[in-house]
Amino acid sequence: NAGVMQNPRHLVRRRGQEARLRCSPMKGHSHVYWYRQLPEEGLKFMVYLQKENIIDESGMPKERFSAEFPKEGPSILRIQQVVRGDSAAYFCASSRGTGGNTEAFFGQGTRLTVV
Amino acid sequence: EDQVTQSPEALRLQEGESSSLNCSYTVSGLRGLFWYRQDPGKGPEFLFTLYSAGEEKEKERLKATLTKKESFLHITAPKPEDSATYLCAAVTSGTYKYIFGTGTRLKVLA
Repeated sequence: NAGVMQNPRHLVRRRGQEARLRCSPMKGHSHVYWYRQLPEEGLKFMVYLQKENIIDESGMPKERFSAEFPKEGPSILRIQQVVRGDSAAYFCASSRGTGGNTEAFFGQGTRLTVV
Repeated sequence: EDQVTQSPEALRLQEGESSSLNCSYTVSGLRGLFWYRQDPGKGPEFLFTLYSAGEEKEKERLKATLTKKESFLHITAPKPEDSATYLCAAVTSGTYKYIFGTGTRLKVLA
């Protein structure tokens, strides 16, 4: 029973390029969350999605960031025109039901470095 | 504003020295309180869920408890392999996102 799969594990981008982070939820899970973590800081909520719907994107910057969770395939977090401040670990979590009613399980993260 | 605060920020224990980690929450209606363990360079690993005051959960040397304002993670006779950052998160009734504290970095010395 595979866990939450994120790829790539490490991603290096030059300033101005695009970063695409992928997240495949656990089997049977239809709820996906994206979080950002800076060194020595906690996990900061970015966006909560269900299949084909964005439920809460209150933690996601309005500019350059977008997320999707299509009917088929993984959830994608997309960062356009990356800047040095986007360097962080990005974690995806999935749950079977609505947030708080069931446990959310995390992937191993994608570490984005902008040079 | 919904908030989760963890203390202490860091804790060093000798092997076998029991202690407790605190998670205080100020939220508008708690839907669930979650504990995770995170090792360096890895994603958080789920430990416990607590839903109502008075509830307790146990797993090996760990025991989580919940009151109306805070949760405790009790570690009994810890071992060096218990060294990690322990995170708690609250989900409120008005939203579905997990609000995390900044964690307690635990170091258990042999």
